Amino acid sequence: EIVLTQSPGTLSLSPGERATLSCRASQSVSSKNIVWYQQKPGQAPRLLIYGASSRATGIPDRFSGSGSGTDFTLTISRLEPEDLAVYYCQQYGTSLTFGGGTKVEIK
Amino acid sequence: EVQLVQSGAEVKKPGESLKISCKGSGYSFTNNWIAWVRQMPGKGLEWMGIIYPGDSDTRYSPSFQGQVTFSADKSINTAYLQWSGLKASDTAIYFCARRYSSGGSAYFDYWGQGTLVTVSS
Repeated sequence: EIVLTQSPGTLSLSPGERATLSCRASQSVSSKNIVWYQQKPGQAPRLLIYGASSRATGIPDRFSGSGSGTDFTLTISRLEPEDLAVYYCQQYGTSLTFGGGTKVEIK
Repeated sequence: EVQLVQSGAEVKKPGESLKISCKGSGYSFTNNWIAWVRQMPGKGLEWMGIIYPGDSDTRYSPSFQGQVTFSADKSINTAYLQWSGLKASDTAIYFCARRYSSGGSAYFDYWGQGTLVTVSS
């Protein structure tokens, strides 16, 4: 099973700052198989990024994804107060696993 | 508009059985896999497995194999998750999600609102 390790566990930043979230896989994963979700408090997860770097419909361009092999990154270029959420990466190689999540707090 | 609407919250006792539902609308329900995802209190997302409503082909995560059963009734566009003997450790929110494939990538693009299952004596 491929294990996804997300870091940091919690990120506390001010509005307008840049957030960089990391997702590291225990073995190489095709970029096509990397997905990012946002889960706001009390809500269902929401698709943000698929194929490591393609934004889902309606997602603001301040969200971007990158990476290859074992290291993937979600970047929020300018934090907004509504970006308060937990962000999960997911892979679906031979099986499907989620990372443990990164909580983004707004100062 | 694509929607997945799940059944309401449940409170059960250990050992009881339970079946929760996920009804799809606004798309071809039989042609897209439906996944089930568990979220225990204060914890992250866990993939339980997936079912193809068109022919009820089912794949379980090893962690959930034998613990739950997926089914689907394509005549009413509904997928189900069931337990035959609940445990306190089954207390969680359960989400269904539609799997969509495009350009070689697959992802869960629409999610149900979640069903809270509480198991307590």
